[in-house]
Amino acid sequence: QKEVEQDPGPLSVPEGAIVSLNCTYSNSAFQYFMWYRQYSRKGPELLMYTYSSGNKEDGRFTAQVDKSSKYISLFIRDSQPSDSATYLCALSAAAGNKLTFGGGTRVLVKP
Amino acid sequence: GAVVSQHPSRVICKSGTSVKIECRSLDFQATTMFWYRQFPKQSLMLMATSNEGSKATYEQGVEKDKFLINHASLTLSTLTVTSAHPEDSSFYICSATDPGTETQYFGPGTRLLVL
Repeated sequence: QKEVEQDPGPLSVPEGAIVSLNCTYSNSAFQYFMWYRQYSRKGPELLMYTYSSGNKEDGRFTAQVDKSSKYISLFIRDSQPSDSATYLCALSAAAGNKLTFGGGTRVLVKP
Repeated sequence: GAVVSQHPSRVICKSGTSVKIECRSLDFQATTMFWYRQFPKQSLMLMATSNEGSKATYEQGVEKDKFLINHASLTLSTLTVTSAHPEDSSFYICSATDPGTETQYFGPGTRLLVL
């Protein structure tokens, strides 16, 4: 069993819809949670960074963390075709420490 | 966000040669940088943690004599793939931890093709 599980998709949604992404993890040592967006042949771009259970909102993005269930989510509101990319969750046990990535979910937003 | 650069962006080399990839943090000093490898349609796999002024820490299964890492300054880490072979062809990505925010920022990646 992988330490971090993430549905590979692809997840296809119409423009304007809400994109819902999630990861589950098994190691309770993970305390820091990140979401990255990666376009094809590019490096990952940090979208959200959280370290406590609850919600964090930044523009069209909302990250949720439920440590008791070992479940994290990312929601993208009013999705745009430019949001089409692979989204990776990443977890670490300490701030600035090495990251353990989920497998990534490929998202396609259709105009 | 913080900026991390990589050079070169892509390289093609012959089997048996060595290739050096540079990773620079442009607007912050990073005591720790990380090197990842990514195969097509797969996630990032951590290869090693690069610590300024000390030896790198390699993940299990990564050959330290093949993937030489040098973190000579607070803004530069290099990865040298020695005696490269076709199976080393991959996308290599570095990241650096911004000490102010304690978050990792990634470089744009280097695509290596070994013929």
